[in-house]
Amino acid sequence: EIVLTQSPGTLSLSPGERATLSCRASQSITSSYLAWYQQKPGRPPRLLIYGASSRATGIPDRFSGSGSGTDFTLSISRLEPEDSAVYYCQQYNNSPWTFGQGTKVEIK
Amino acid sequence: QVQLQESGPGLVKPSETLSLTCTVSGDSISSFYWSWIRQPPGKGLEWIGSIYYSGSTNYNPSLKSRVTISLDTSKNQFSLKLASVTAADTAVYYCARGPWGWFYFDYWGQGTLVTVSS
Repeated sequence: EIVLTQSPGTLSLSPGERATLSCRASQSITSSYLAWYQQKPGRPPRLLIYGASSRATGIPDRFSGSGSGTDFTLSISRLEPEDSAVYYCQQYNNSPWTFGQGTKVEIK
Repeated sequence: QVQLQESGPGLVKPSETLSLTCTVSGDSISSFYWSWIRQPPGKGLEWIGSIYYSGSTNYNPSLKSRVTISLDTSKNQFSLKLASVTAADTAVYYCARGPWGWFYFDYWGQGTLVTVSS
């Protein structure tokens, strides 16, 4: 099973700043089969990024994904108040599909 | 617009079987890849298992001995059964869709909280 470790646990930033979230895999994820989701309280996760860097339909270009192998990053440029949420990475390279433990982004 | 809606009992007794149904609208269930994912209160996400439109299944090994996922194409629904539940199975259960050939999740239901308690 591929274990995904996200860091930091919590990120507290001001509106307009840039957020950088990390997702590290316990083994290499070939073909960049990694997705990112945003989850707000009481809501289901929302797909942001798939294939490590492709934005899902309707996702603003403030959200971008990068990385390969074992190290992946989600960047949120120009933070807005509505970006306050927990962000999860998910690998779909090897079954069982697994999620990271999440990074909470707080907007000051 | 694809919509998924979970339904089923919100309270299940220990040792009994949890049963949930996901009704899909705006898309045919006879395509794509359909999954169940759960989230214990205040915790992260765990993939339970998936079923292809063909009926073939793929389960998380940690739950495989207790899980059954099935399709009902006539009703455009798919279902989850989790046997011999304990308090550790208390969670919000989500159904979700995966695009054809890929194993991420692009549409999700709103989720339903299932509590295991006597």
